[in-house]
Amino acid sequence: DGGITQSPKYLFRKEGQNVTLSCEQNLNHDAMYWYRQDPGQGLRLIYYSQIVNDFQKGDIAEGYSVSREKKESFPLTVTSAQKNPTAFYLCASSIDQATVITGELFFGEGSRLTVL
Amino acid sequence: AQSVTQLGSHVSVSEGALVLLRCNYSSSVPPYLFWYVQYPNQGLQLLLKYTTGATLVKGINGFEAEFKKSETSFHLTKPSAHMSDAAEYFCAVSDPGSARQLTFGSGTQLTVLP
Repeated sequence: DGGITQSPKYLFRKEGQNVTLSCEQNLNHDAMYWYRQDPGQGLRLIYYSQIVNDFQKGDIAEGYSVSREKKESFPLTVTSAQKNPTAFYLCASSIDQATVITGELFFGEGSRLTVL
Repeated sequence: AQSVTQLGSHVSVSEGALVLLRCNYSSSVPPYLFWYVQYPNQGLQLLLKYTTGATLVKGINGFEAEFKKSETSFHLTKPSAHMSDAAEYFCAVSDPGSARQLTFGSGTQLTVLP
C-alpha cells in the first residue's frame, strides 16, 4: 500500500540531544513537508521541499534542519537549539506544489517527541 | 496574509444530533478552503474542500460545508452525529495566487456523547 511512514512513533530524549525523525513516502510525490502540532495551536510549518536537493524554511524553522537527498525521504533533525522541542511532528506530501494549493496533502501518522 | 479562526476549541454533541463546527477565514483574494479530520495519534485526512464552483461542498462520512463569501465563513456540518465522528477537526485556507502552503486553524475537538 502506498503511503507515508514516520518513525519512530514515540521518542524520548534528554535535553540538549539532537534527534532525527524519519519520513519516507512511496507515493512518488515531489513535495514533502514537516509540521509541528501543539495542543490548541493547529499545525505550523517547519520546512518544505518541492524537489530533491532543495528545501525552504517554513514559519518555525529555527532549531530544526532537514535534508532531501532522495525523492522518497525527508528526515527532520530537531537540534539542541530548539528551545521547546516536545511536540507532535507530522510529515506530509503532495504530488507537487500545485496540489498543495488545492488541498491534496497526504499525512503520515506522526512522531511524538518528548524531551525530558 | 491569510488566517483561519475556528470558534470553539471543544464541541460536544449527543449521538444523532447536528454537528456544527465553525470556521472563519481572512484572505486578500478568494481562497481555497479545506476541512481535515484527525483521529487520536494519527495524521490528518482531507474531509472536503472548496476551490471554485458550487459553494455547498460534500465530503466523506456525511459531512458538508458551505462557503459564504459575505460572511467569510466555511462552517462544517453533519445532520446526525455518530460516535465514530469523535476526532479533531481542522479548517485550512490557501491562497490560489501563491505557492504558499496551507494555513491551518487551531482545531476543534469534537466529542460525541452516547
